[in-house]
Amino acid sequence: DAGVIQSPRHEVTEMGQEVTLRCKPISGHNSLFWYRQTMMRGLELLIYFNNNVPIDDSGMPEDRFSAKMPNASFSTLKIQPSEPRDSAVYFCASSLSHGSTEAFFGQGTRLTVV
Amino acid sequence: DQQVKQNSPSLSVQEGRISILNCDYTNSMFDYFLWYKKYPAEGPTFLISISSIKDKNEDGRFTVFLNKSAKHLSLHIVPSQPGDSAVYFCAASDNNNDMRFGAGTRLTVKP
Repeated sequence: DAGVIQSPRHEVTEMGQEVTLRCKPISGHNSLFWYRQTMMRGLELLIYFNNNVPIDDSGMPEDRFSAKMPNASFSTLKIQPSEPRDSAVYFCASSLSHGSTEAFFGQGTRLTVV
Repeated sequence: DQQVKQNSPSLSVQEGRISILNCDYTNSMFDYFLWYKKYPAEGPTFLISISSIKDKNEDGRFTVFLNKSAKHLSLHIVPSQPGDSAVYFCAASDNNNDMRFGAGTRLTVKP
């Protein structure tokens, strides 16, 4: 398996533009997580899905952030409109949802909003 | 609120000595605890875990200790090697698979 695949690896956009980050989880995994890495909070959980259903989105910073998981093999995190303070590395991870198990991470998307 | 806390942003040790990384958590519903290692420009990779029914788990040079009454866990690396230099994240999850991470500790192992 290729692991968790995120795209793009890098994104530079202007303030006010819409940004869409993409994630393909590991086949067979039924939990998917979106994290944002910041210096102060480390890996901050934004939202996670079990079996394509959002379970907890309390970590989503504002209404400008939205996430979808239309099927078991694809998820998006959208920021609209983007702001400079959204600049960070965004990670997607997947795991099996039953039992104690580790999550596997993608390589991340480095977002820069100028 | 930060449910998983790593209060030491950085740690520096000499090669061959023990590295001890600490982590505290607040949510008593957490029942599975993990340590991840992260190199620059890469995603975190799983290192070692422990279930709440245990108080110790060992894997080679890495040992994780869990003190449930204190809501504290630690990662011991012995002997430390320069290749262990990375950011280490502590994580905890509950039976809903909600996985929370700490802020990370940057470990530097000096040759």
